[in-house]
Amino acid sequence: QSVLTQPPSASGTPGQRVTISCSGSSSNIGSNTVNWYQQLPGTAPKLLIYSNNQRPSGVPDRFSGSKSGTSASLAISGLQSEDEADYYCAAWDDSLIVVFGGGTKLTVL
Amino acid sequence: QVQLVESGGGLVKPGGSLRLSCAASGFTFSDYYMSWIRQAPGKGLEWVSYISSSGSTIYYADSVKGRFTISRDNAKNSLYLQMNSLRAEDTAVYYCARDGGDYGDYIFDYWGQGTLVTVSS
Repeated sequence: QSVLTQPPSASGTPGQRVTISCSGSSSNIGSNTVNWYQQLPGTAPKLLIYSNNQRPSGVPDRFSGSKSGTSASLAISGLQSEDEADYYCAAWDDSLIVVFGGGTKLTVL
Repeated sequence: QVQLVESGGGLVKPGGSLRLSCAASGFTFSDYYMSWIRQAPGKGLEWVSYISSSGSTIYYADSVKGRFTISRDNAKNSLYLQMNSLRAEDTAVYYCARDGGDYGDYIFDYWGQGTLVTVSS
């Protein structure tokens, strides 16, 4: 059971906008920033969004993040087939650990 | 370019030990925090341990506390994870990841390709 809660799956058709939620608590998302990682099949995870809504260089602006209270969201607009991957949220927890969500498998129909 | 290459994984019996290594290159290793993160087969990511740039601050997940030891050798640009009293539930791909880079602390901006640890009799 992961500390952060994500839906196990999400889907959309090419061009659509999809969102993935991430729910935590006051000790993690509520008091620290949220980061998102993308894991393409068979590869290591890659940093996608950091500090709630910032994109590392090279990440398309189709990807955006937001946070409100103890929840966060990742939005992908203009969905493309290459976006099919697993997505994980993560945050620092005040109990001195990093916590991850259980991951959301995104399917592009 | 930044490279992280893990090694040392393999098959080990329950109760056994294993030492993972992560060779870093392409950046000033001694300037960065590092973490180990694992992923059980078909499962999600689980953070395992963190070490500060000097090695003076270390954190562990409760699931490995008392059994795993993280360390680093800045002269050799290497990160290590000594794993003792291994259990079946420790079976996973273990990734080393750079932490505390340009994007901030506890943010993993580069990952290795991972090394598989299998704990089975």
